[in-house]
Amino acid sequence: AQTVTQSQPEMSVQEAETVTLSCTYDTSENNYYLFWYKQPPSRQMILVIRQEAYKQQNATENRFSVNFQKAAKSFSLKISDSQLGDTAMYFCAFMTPPVGAQKLVFGQGTRLTINP
Amino acid sequence: EPEVTQTPSHQVTQMGQEVILRCVPISNHLYFYWYRQILGQKVEFLVSFYNNEISEKSEIFDDQFSVERPDGSNFTLKIRSTKLEDSAMYFCASSEDVLGVLLGYTFGSGTRLTVV
Repeated sequence: AQTVTQSQPEMSVQEAETVTLSCTYDTSENNYYLFWYKQPPSRQMILVIRQEAYKQQNATENRFSVNFQKAAKSFSLKISDSQLGDTAMYFCAFMTPPVGAQKLVFGQGTRLTINP
Repeated sequence: EPEVTQTPSHQVTQMGQEVILRCVPISNHLYFYWYRQILGQKVEFLVSFYNNEISEKSEIFDDQFSVERPDGSNFTLKIRSTKLEDSAMYFCASSEDVLGVLLGYTFGSGTRLTVV
């Protein structure tokens, strides 16, 4: 069974700083997909960024980027120029290639606070 | 942008009562999911649904739980006899097709269920 581990329960940085959230996972699969979801105080789950394991290039979405290390089974999220609106819970998630519907396996989450 | 709509946003029920949580997925989506998040804990997969039948269910999804898509637009989660430990945030999600699953499906805003 796949597992996802986020070792940082909480993090706090000043506005405009860069912060990196850690995620490791365990799988015997060679092809899979990784995601970061943001859950602000409104509680909705919002997709931040995704990465396909077969792609060596790290995904980037504006201020958000990942450092994907397949051999180390590591998938960290870097937020540059952090903003107050980035304050949220961040969940790392794993999915194997779908045969029909497919489930996400989530980590425990990291609570990120951006301070003014 | 299309949304997954969940109602109600908050429901309080007495232990032993039946509850139905409702979701309206995005209209052209084919895959539907329910996830659960106990307060302060990680998001857990409950069930996936495709082509009018359950594709996969977790150990949490026991005989007390059921899902159905009664009218082609709604997707419901029923808990027959609620227990205190069913208190959680329940998220509905949907995706258009296999590619949509890989892109990371769309979550609703959740229903907070409180069992007293």
